[in-house]
Amino acid sequence: DTAVSQTPKYLVTQMGNDKSIKCEQNLGHDTMYWYKQDSKKFLKIMFSYNNKELIINETVPNRFSPKSPDKAHLNLHINSLELGDSAVYFCASMGDYGYTFGSGTRLTVV
Amino acid sequence: EDQVTQSPEALRLQEGESSSLNCSYTVSGLRGLFWYRQDPGKGPEFLFTLYSAGEEKEKERLKATLTKKESFLHITAPKPEDSATYLCAVQAGTSYGKLTFGQGTILTVHP
Repeated sequence: DTAVSQTPKYLVTQMGNDKSIKCEQNLGHDTMYWYKQDSKKFLKIMFSYNNKELIINETVPNRFSPKSPDKAHLNLHINSLELGDSAVYFCASMGDYGYTFGSGTRLTVV
Repeated sequence: EDQVTQSPEALRLQEGESSSLNCSYTVSGLRGLFWYRQDPGKGPEFLFTLYSAGEEKEKERLKATLTKKESFLHITAPKPEDSATYLCAVQAGTSYGKLTFGQGTILTVHP
């Protein structure tokens, strides 16, 4: 029933590790996004895919790599995690009236 | 560069005390202005989209309005369950759907 689902909800990992966050939407939308929300609740776009094609790539370190195997899935892989990567990461898809967000993945790098 | 500024950063109201949240923006070719509500530990939840100056939309105790430079979210007779962070975002005409968000207003309604 969930429209946009992300896994995992919480992720605690050590500096230098590689981790992935998965996102799936069942709304039939063509466009999906990754946003990062910092400790001050400020949401900033990272990437966007339209039907498996990368269309937005903001100034994000190369350690972050999105992958879209099909238009319903958009995963985020992060290499060599740093303390500053700690944040909440939101996946979203865009329909006719706006975005539908997932519930977020809280990443803590220790 | 598109910019969105929300004020106040935090607002405390008594139940039934009406007020307004402000969202000032600069954008190259506004395609839409969005309001979202975010509860702790959850993703933003869509409230309204406004497309042109003069437009207004209502939902229960909330009413959103839009001018060429700002948007207001009016809350009439709020209840404790209206407590949340309210986010404003703009979409520019050639942005591939990219939203630029403000920092949000944390609303607390006391019974």
